[in-house]
Amino acid sequence: EVQLLESGGGLLQPGGSLRLSCAGSGFTFSTNALSWVRQAPGKGLEWVSIISSSGDTTYYADSVKGRFTISRDNSKNIVYLQMNSLRAEDTAVYYCAKGDHFFDHWGQGTLVTVSS
Amino acid sequence: EIVLTQSPGTLSLSPGERATLSCRASQSVSSSYLAWYQQKPGQAPRLLFYGAYNRATGIPDRFSGSGYGTDFTLTISRLEPEDSAVYYCQQYGTSPWTFGQGTKVEIK
Repeated sequence: EVQLLESGGGLLQPGGSLRLSCAGSGFTFSTNALSWVRQAPGKGLEWVSIISSSGDTTYYADSVKGRFTISRDNSKNIVYLQMNSLRAEDTAVYYCAKGDHFFDHWGQGTLVTVSS
Repeated sequence: EIVLTQSPGTLSLSPGERATLSCRASQSVSSSYLAWYQQKPGQAPRLLFYGAYNRATGIPDRFSGSGYGTDFTLTISRLEPEDSAVYYCQQYGTSPWTFGQGTKVEIK
């Protein structure tokens, strides 16, 4: 069974930094692209970032470009999202999702709240 | 970026009725690279369709997807109580991948 388990969310002040992790199991982690998708409270879904299976190609939404960095460790089956210079509008549940175009499996999400 | 507009915002129907959800793109979606997801309260989204009409694993056949170009449709032929959810479309033909704002389906 495919499982994606996010961790690392929390409450922090504007301008702060946070690193999210997503541990994958039940599939061949190293051959699959992974994305982060977020959902602000009561709002819709927003694709944030994607990393290729090898980790050598990454893309970002304009809203996070230059502030967020996606990376992965295929030896540990973990993908990361380093988030810097956080803003109130980054407040959301962050989901890890498997797939390079559409997303066939999702984690349960981790909540990031940016507030003073 | 491609903007996806879903309609209606909310659909309130009785069990057994047919639900028709629309997703309209601001420009043509390459190769019908459109997906549909179902999200129930407190849960992660679940993939229903990819490539506009290819049903994902385990999705009941009362769900169907159709469309091409700029107009896509998700149809639920006979609503069940467990179909109460928000449904999102997503295009992945042009970066950045974008989602519609969602259609909420309520079961009376």
